Amino acid sequence: KQEVTQIPAALSVPEGENLVLNCSFTDSAIYNLQWFRQDPGKGLTSLLLIQSSQREQTSGRLNASLDKSSGRSTLYIAASQPGDSATYLCAATNYGQNFVFGPGTRLSVLP
Amino acid sequence: NAGVMQNPRHLVRRRGQEARLRCSPMKGHSHVYWYRQLPEEGLKFMVYLQKENIIDESGMPKERFSAEFPKEGPSILRIQQVVRGDSAAYFCASSPIQDNQPQHFGDGTRLSIL
Repeated sequence: KQEVTQIPAALSVPEGENLVLNCSFTDSAIYNLQWFRQDPGKGLTSLLLIQSSQREQTSGRLNASLDKSSGRSTLYIAASQPGDSATYLCAATNYGQNFVFGPGTRLSVLP
Repeated sequence: NAGVMQNPRHLVRRRGQEARLRCSPMKGHSHVYWYRQLPEEGLKFMVYLQKENIIDESGMPKERFSAEFPKEGPSILRIQQVVRGDSAAYFCASSPIQDNQPQHFGDGTRLSIL
């Protein structure tokens, strides 16, 4: 059974800093992994989807990597801004199964 | 191109009443997923539907909960005889096909049980 964890649970950084969020999964036979952000009282916004055959995906200041052998994914945020403050969730899916979400990392970027 | 639409945004029910949550997927999406987010907990998968079919309901409680996605109209998550523990945010997501396509989420329905 797939289990997903995320560390740290919360992170506070000054504006402009580069940061890394970590996601670990127990079953390395994943099909894909998706990173989301959730703003308070809102739904989830899809950030990046990495397929099992890919090592990384980039979108603007965001870069997500995937290492299936170690069961890890990282989300790198460059030059953080106060508008990046949100909860970041990773979710993994195995073939024929549905997403298993991690508990999230609450990010605060201080101006 | 409207995103995933959920209504109502907030729903208040008394214990024992029924709650109906609606989800209209993005245009062109025929796959719908329901998730529940309990206070201070992560998102948990409940059920996956295609038009007129339940594909996977492994995450849905066996009693009081049901879901449908009719040929016409939105997907409905129905909770009968609600209890305090049903208070949560219920999110719907849709995708064009299941595999290797990102799921797009609605803003959720926040259900409060008095």
